[in-house]
Amino acid sequence: AQSVAQPEDQVNVAEGNPLTVKCTYSVSGNPYLFWYVQYPNRGLQFLLKYITGDNLVKGSYGFEAEFNKSQTSFHLKKPSALVSDSALYFCAVRDSSGNTPLVFGKGTRLSVIA
Amino acid sequence: GAGVSQSPSNKVTEKGKDVELRCDPISGHTALYWYRQSLGQGLEFLIYFQGNSAPDKSGLPSDRFSAERTGGSVSTLTIQRTQQEDSAVYLCASSLGQGENQPQHFGDGTRLSIL
Repeated sequence: AQSVAQPEDQVNVAEGNPLTVKCTYSVSGNPYLFWYVQYPNRGLQFLLKYITGDNLVKGSYGFEAEFNKSQTSFHLKKPSALVSDSALYFCAVRDSSGNTPLVFGKGTRLSVIA
Repeated sequence: GAGVSQSPSNKVTEKGKDVELRCDPISGHTALYWYRQSLGQGLEFLIYFQGNSAPDKSGLPSDRFSAERTGGSVSTLTIQRTQQEDSAVYLCASSLGQGENQPQHFGDGTRLSIL
């Protein structure tokens, strides 16, 4: 069975500082990994994905994520946080070996303080 | 607009009533997904459609829940004899296909409150 863990319910960071939102996963085959962001009263918006290739993936709004197979992690990062980055972030995984649905983590609320 | 559209945006109903939630996917998207988002619980997968077929109904929490999709487009999620634990935000998403390279595009959800 596939699963995703986001160990932090809340991350606080000062504006201009780098941010990291953590995600670890478990799949039986190779993972397909995604990050989504959710603003209040809105649906989820796609940020970036890892399917294959370079371990460092760049996405929307200056976000990037690094796939680490040995640590089964896919942490989301941004070099310089903005107040407008404050939102709920979801990591999701799908096993490449089967036709299985995307499994989402419980989400991490990011607060960027001016 | 060109995004996924869900209606109603909010629904308040009494326990025991039936409710119907609607999702209009992006034109041309063959895959459609329903999720339930409860406070602090992340997203719970309910069902997905490829065209009009639902290969995976494993996430439906009980037989009170059903979904259909017609014409490869609009989908409705029906909850019969609603219970208070059904209160949640119901999100719909669509993608070009079920393939791994296709990100899902989400609607803004229906916030369901059962009194």
